[in-house]
Parts: sequence; C-alpha cells; structure tokens
Amino acid sequence: DIQMTQSPSSVSASIGDRVTITCRASQGISNWLAWYQQKPGKAPKVLIYPASTLQSGVPSRFSGSGSGTDFTLTITSLQPEDFATYYCQQANSFPLTFGGGTKVEIK
Amino acid sequence: EVQVLESGGGLVQPGGSLRLSCAASGFSSNNFALSWVRQAPGKGLEWVSDISGDGITTHYADSVKGRFTISRDNSKNTVFLQMYSLRAEDAALYYCAKQYGHHFDYWGQGALVTVSS
Repeated sequence: DIQMTQSPSSVSASIGDRVTITCRASQGISNWLAWYQQKPGKAPKVLIYPASTLQSGVPSRFSGSGSGTDFTLTITSLQPEDFATYYCQQANSFPLTFGGGTKVEIK
Repeated sequence: EVQVLESGGGLVQPGGSLRLSCAASGFSSNNFALSWVRQAPGKGLEWVSDISGDGITTHYADSVKGRFTISRDNSKNTVFLQMYSLRAEDAALYYCAKQYGHHFDYWGQGALVTVSS
C-alpha cells in the first residue's frame, strides 16, 4: 500500500499569509495526486487534480506542484474562507489512500 | 446537477450488520465508479471500497475486506455498502463519492454509523 505523509499536521496563519503544505508518497505516483479542502461539518471538496491542475471554480490563490513522491499545496494570500483541513490523496493505485490532513487555523 | 445522497446509517451493536445506500443523480452513473470513504469522529479520511460503473470490478480496504460488500443497481442509479460483523472502529461518517479516474469529484453529505452496545 502507498502511504501518504502530510506535513505539518496543523499550521497557524494570518489573513494574507502564504501557506505551504507538503505531501510525500511512500513510492512514486507520477502526478496522480489530489488535494481536498474540508470545512467543519461539510464533505471534502476537490481543489486540485492531478497534482497541479486547479479544478473549476477554485480560486487561483491555490496551486499545486510536484510529481513522483513529493507534492506541495500552496495558498498565497490566505483568506478567511480558507481556514479548513486539507488532505492529499494518491490516485495511482488501490487501495486509495489519504494523507493525515493539515488543519489551517487562524493565528 | 450532480448529486449523491447517502442513507441507511444508524446505531448497530458490535457484531451486527447494516446496509448503506447511495443514490446518484445528474450523471450517467453506469459510466463512473463510486466509492465509499469514511471519517471517524475527529479523524481523517479513509477510503473503504469502490465499484466500477458496470459493477464488475470492486476494491476494498484491508480493514473491511471480508466483512463489507459493495454492489450497485444501475437501473436505480444506486450503490450499496453491506456491512457485516461491525466493530467499534467502524463507527464513522460514511461518504459516498463519485470517482473521476481514481479521485473523488463529487461527495455526498454522509451517513452516520454508530457501533455501540
């Protein structure tokens, strides 16, 4: 099974800050990686798939990069609605696996 | 509008069984795989199982293999998750999610499964 390791597990940031979340796969997954945002009490929402392709309607302050085993989600100029938990997910092979999540909190 | 709607959650005793349903609408469900993804209270996301659009191919997480069975009825645009031998660690919010490739582009709001005596 492919293990997905996210870091940090939480980050405190202010409005306007740049936030970077990393995700590492235990083996190469090419660019078959998705990023999701989940707000409390809500279902996850896909932001980026694969790796660096922004989904329709997602603000351009979100961006993704990486391939192989190392990936990054960057939020430039953090907005109030961005405070949430973010998950990566490998879409390369079964079983499909998620990272442990990164909670972005208000400083 | 694409929608997936879960039902069938509830309270079940350890060792008991429960069947979840996922009704899909707004897309040709027989063309897309559907998955179940669960989230224990305060925890992260765990993929559970998926089934191909034609219902022929299924996959399971090791944690549920042999206890859970996924199936679908394309005439009703519905996917089912039959859960047997439920354990305390199966308690979670179970999301149904439409797959695009092997990621999830649409999610339901979840069905809560509580396992307790």
